[in-house]
Amino acid sequence: KQEVTQIPAALSVPEGENLVLNCSFTDSAIYNLQWFRQDPGKGLTSLLLIQSSQREQTSGRLNASLDKSSGRSTLYIAASQPGDSATYLCAVLGVITQGGSEKLVFGKGTKLTVNP
Amino acid sequence: EAQVTQNPRYLITVTGKKLTVTCSQNMNHEYMSWYRQDPGLGLRQIYYSMNVEVTDKGDVPEGYKVSRKEKRNFPLILESPSPNQTSLYFCASSFQPHYNYGYTFGSGTRLTVV
Repeated sequence: KQEVTQIPAALSVPEGENLVLNCSFTDSAIYNLQWFRQDPGKGLTSLLLIQSSQREQTSGRLNASLDKSSGRSTLYIAASQPGDSATYLCAVLGVITQGGSEKLVFGKGTKLTVNP
Repeated sequence: EAQVTQNPRYLITVTGKKLTVTCSQNMNHEYMSWYRQDPGLGLRQIYYSMNVEVTDKGDVPEGYKVSRKEKRNFPLILESPSPNQTSLYFCASSFQPHYNYGYTFGSGTRLTVV
């Protein structure tokens, strides 16, 4: 059974700092990995999608990497801003298994606070 | 604008009173799914649908029903809500095969059952 872990659960940094959020998963047989952002009481916004054949994806100040063999992904945020404060969720889409179907399995998130 | 729309955003109801949370997407996605989010438990899948008239259970289907009569709509039905169904609910959609694509999520429905 796929399990996704995100460390740390919470992180507080001063504005302007570069930071890394970590995600690990137990089963390397995945199709893709997706990073989401969730603001309090709001929905999930997709940030980056990395296919299993890819090593990284970039969007603006965000860079996500994927090491499928070790079951790890990182989300790098450059020059953090107070507007980056949110909960960041990592989710992996697993390969179809006999008798089941693939589904998105989420970590519990890292709550990021960027202080002005 | 491409989006997944859920209604209502907030709902307070009483135990046993049937309710429906609607979900609609305008991206012609085949795959749709419902999740609930609870503190300490994260997001868990309730039901999913691979296409019209094709639905299946997720991890926590008890107490819920779904239907997929049209491609764009995937309502979540609580026939007899109970307080343990108080949660934040999300609908999501994707193209098929959805392992080639990312998921798009709705803005969520916060349900309170008293």
